[in-house]
Amino acid sequence: EADIYQTPRYLVIGTGKKITLECSQTMGHDKMYWYQQDPGMELHLIHYSYGVNSTEKGDLSSESTVSRIRTEHFPLTLESARPSHTSQYLCASSDLADSYNEQFFGPGTRLTVL
Amino acid sequence: AQRVTQPEKLLSVFKGAPVELKCNYSYSGSPELFWYVQYSRQRLQLLLRHISRESIKGFTADLNKGETSFHLKKPFAQEEDSAMYYCALRGAGGTSYGKLTFGQGTILTVHP
Repeated sequence: EADIYQTPRYLVIGTGKKITLECSQTMGHDKMYWYQQDPGMELHLIHYSYGVNSTEKGDLSSESTVSRIRTEHFPLTLESARPSHTSQYLCASSDLADSYNEQFFGPGTRLTVL
Repeated sequence: AQRVTQPEKLLSVFKGAPVELKCNYSYSGSPELFWYVQYSRQRLQLLLRHISRESIKGFTADLNKGETSFHLKKPFAQEEDSAMYYCALRGAGGTSYGKLTFGQGTILTVHP
């Protein structure tokens, strides 16, 4: 079944640890996105990709990095987690051929850095 | 720069009452606007887009370029409409191509 998967769903980790948030989609989409969302607040685009080996920074500056080695996989990495990184991270994808650019969202990863 | 503003963080109505969720935007070009919805314990999902001029679950939204608004309306609210609603804008070219800018969101609660 076509879907977007994010793991882990919840992560509690100590300061200074390196973490990778996984995002995979079986939608066959070229475009993928990472959003950061604090509770009850707006979504902020932090990274996006239009295809393999394409990554761009979004509107909100982030210390995280991303990679796009395979079409279906778009992991986000924090080299050294800090409490300010505590947030919810949403992954999304859309079809390059879809002129409406409807974005499909994953379930999110809620990250807490102690 | 593109910006989306949803002035109401919380909106409460009673079942059967009309509801309007406000959205204002700023964008120098010709925008494409969307409403996304997140029900409790569900993912964020597209509700409707202005270009389709459709009615989804009884909701409609009209793009008013003069007032730079895209308010979401429903004549008779239902309890199952309770959710978080986000207005979003897509830029139509240049560096903003394809990217969505979201508003702050409005939590709608429909009381029985």
